[in-house]
Amino acid sequence: QQQVKQSPQSLIVQKGGISIINCAYENTAFDYFPWYQQFPGKGPALLIAIRPDVSEKKEGRFTISFNKSAKQFSLHIMDSQPGDSATYFCAARGMAGNMLTFGGGTRLMVKP
Amino acid sequence: KAGVTQTPRYLIKTRGQQVTLSCSPISGHRSVSWYQQTPGQGLQFLFEYFSETQRNKGNFPGRFSGRQFSNSRSEMNVSTLELGDSALYLCASSFHGKVDEQYFGPGTRLTVT
Repeated sequence: QQQVKQSPQSLIVQKGGISIINCAYENTAFDYFPWYQQFPGKGPALLIAIRPDVSEKKEGRFTISFNKSAKQFSLHIMDSQPGDSATYFCAARGMAGNMLTFGGGTRLMVKP
Repeated sequence: KAGVTQTPRYLIKTRGQQVTLSCSPISGHRSVSWYQQTPGQGLQFLFEYFSETQRNKGNFPGRFSGRQFSNSRSEMNVSTLELGDSALYLCASSFHGKVDEQYFGPGTRLTVT
């Protein structure tokens, strides 16, 4: 059972544009929501994360928006660059310890 | 500070064999988690170890097992390999004081023929 649904599966954005990736979750016990960036041949790299008591978090060009009542959160990449072309995964943690449930991933391509 | 290291990086095995993968966490990190990544199922949690104890286990058959040593290094073992076990196996570590932030290694690409 997929507990974190991610959309879209793929995304093409022009350089300088805004990339938006959305995730929805079902389990209200989730208490931590990270985003990971993965390049081909590499492991996922932690990008930015948020807790449900905060509605927005910004780090550089990356912003997470969180809607607890809707059980949704999204990643916004401002001024998207070709170097941002990668696969992005949202995730959620809800148990004691560090078990992450991942979304299906979004393949982002930023065209120059 | 060195990142998470995994060995070997690539592995080819035959059905029915067993395999052991190794993970060395970032220095000072005591929690190690393992994930399986496949095109069809995405990233799935296998298990987590903290201070040599398994703390969580994902929904995988008993053929998948792991352990953690006193120096926090971890190994996972898959016995009686099946074609469907072909995947990228990722290890992630986190500092016990900041369990939120998990850092992944480059993974071990396992191919079962």
